[in-house]
Amino acid sequence: DQQVKQNSPSLSVQEGRISILNCDYTNSMFDYFLWYKKYPAEGPTFLISISSIKDKNEDGRFTVFLNKSAKHLSLHIVPSQPGDSAVYFCAAYNDYKLSFGAGTTVTVRA
Amino acid sequence: EAGVVQSPRYKIIEKKQPVAFWCNPISGHNTLYWYLQNLGQGPELLIRYENEEAVDDSQLPKDRFSAERLKGVDSTLKIQPAELGDSAVYLCASSARTSGADTQYFGPGTRLTVL
Repeated sequence: DQQVKQNSPSLSVQEGRISILNCDYTNSMFDYFLWYKKYPAEGPTFLISISSIKDKNEDGRFTVFLNKSAKHLSLHIVPSQPGDSAVYFCAAYNDYKLSFGAGTTVTVRA
Repeated sequence: EAGVVQSPRYKIIEKKQPVAFWCNPISGHNTLYWYLQNLGQGPELLIRYENEEAVDDSQLPKDRFSAERLKGVDSTLKIQPAELGDSAVYLCASSARTSGADTQYFGPGTRLTVL
């Protein structure tokens, strides 16, 4: 039962432009949502989170938007940089448990 | 501050052999997790420890998998015997269990290949 879905396995974007990553979830009991970034041969690293009572959280170049009615969240990266090339995982938190999506591979082109 | 340490980083074994993975969490983190990550998928929780107690092992295949965290710090995950389908990356994570979102910090993982 996949409760968190990232339907785009990959995204290619030009350096300096905006990257938009999408995530959908099914469980309305999730109370936090997180994005993790993963480089090859490394573990996922925490990027940004948002509480279910918020609709936006911003941290530097990264902004996460939450639409609870649509059970949808997105991560915006502006501007995209070559170091942003990685796999991004959407995760949802409830009852001490994180549920992860399958990830989106972002490639930033020079 | 040192991150989550895992060893070995890579392991190749033949099916039916035993294998063990070791994890040292971030100092002061009481909560420790073991995840399984198959290729092209996100991490899936196997077991969660609060100090030395396994508080959620509902996803751990107990017929062949076992884990321990004897002194509430380091942890070991064991598979005996390994099967071909166990080939995956095994991730360890830890958190400080503060209020709000459970920000988990991951180690680099152990990539297991079962031949």
